[in-house]
Amino acid sequence: GAVVSQHPSWVICKSGTSVKIECRSLDFQATTMFWYRQFPKQSLMLMATSNEGSKATYEQGVEKDKFLINHASLTLSTLTVTSAHPEDSSFYICSGAGLAPGRAYNEQFFGPGTRLTVL
Amino acid sequence: QKEVEQDPGPLSVPEGAIVSLNCTYSNSAFQYFMWYRQYSRKGPELLMYTYSSGNKEDGRFTAQVDKSSKYISLFIRDSQPSDSATYLCVQLRGGGSYIPTFGRGTSLIVHP
Repeated sequence: GAVVSQHPSWVICKSGTSVKIECRSLDFQATTMFWYRQFPKQSLMLMATSNEGSKATYEQGVEKDKFLINHASLTLSTLTVTSAHPEDSSFYICSGAGLAPGRAYNEQFFGPGTRLTVL
Repeated sequence: QKEVEQDPGPLSVPEGAIVSLNCTYSNSAFQYFMWYRQYSRKGPELLMYTYSSGNKEDGRFTAQVDKSSKYISLFIRDSQPSDSATYLCVQLRGGGSYIPTFGRGTSLIVHP
């Protein structure tokens, strides 16, 4: 139980285009979803936190107009990288937080990540 | 100073060794800690979850928190090649949000 999926797993796009990444909690309701970015050999950097039906809360230094987050339901959140540039190339990971089957407390479950390459 | 500090390694040990992974934190206001394991190009998976001081054991893994020195440790007994991964320590912000702050991770290599 407690599976989070991401789609696509890898995307290559041209500079200036927009890319949408989906994050789904498959067997539990994620009341909160988190989006992270991870550069090679670096830690996960939290980009934003979103609660279902509310606007996302962005971390300092993250451009909310560039990284659009939508959390329309308890099982789906999307991250859209608008006007992507090569410096946006990174590994984007989402996580869903909620009470999963068989668990006694809220926990974060991570998706497998999406590798974005901007040419 | 980063809020959660980890030595990136890599740490290379022979199979069967006891591994000690360490982490320090600066903000003593938040006392929830977690250890995640991340394989290459995969999302992290939770290993251990601890609150406040003391030890917590789960199979071959033991997590230890020392509040006085702001030190978090993860011990792996009888290490296996399949334990080769990056281990991330996490401190959760409190106040109901439980937003995590990640250390940069320590790369562990267990060789047969």
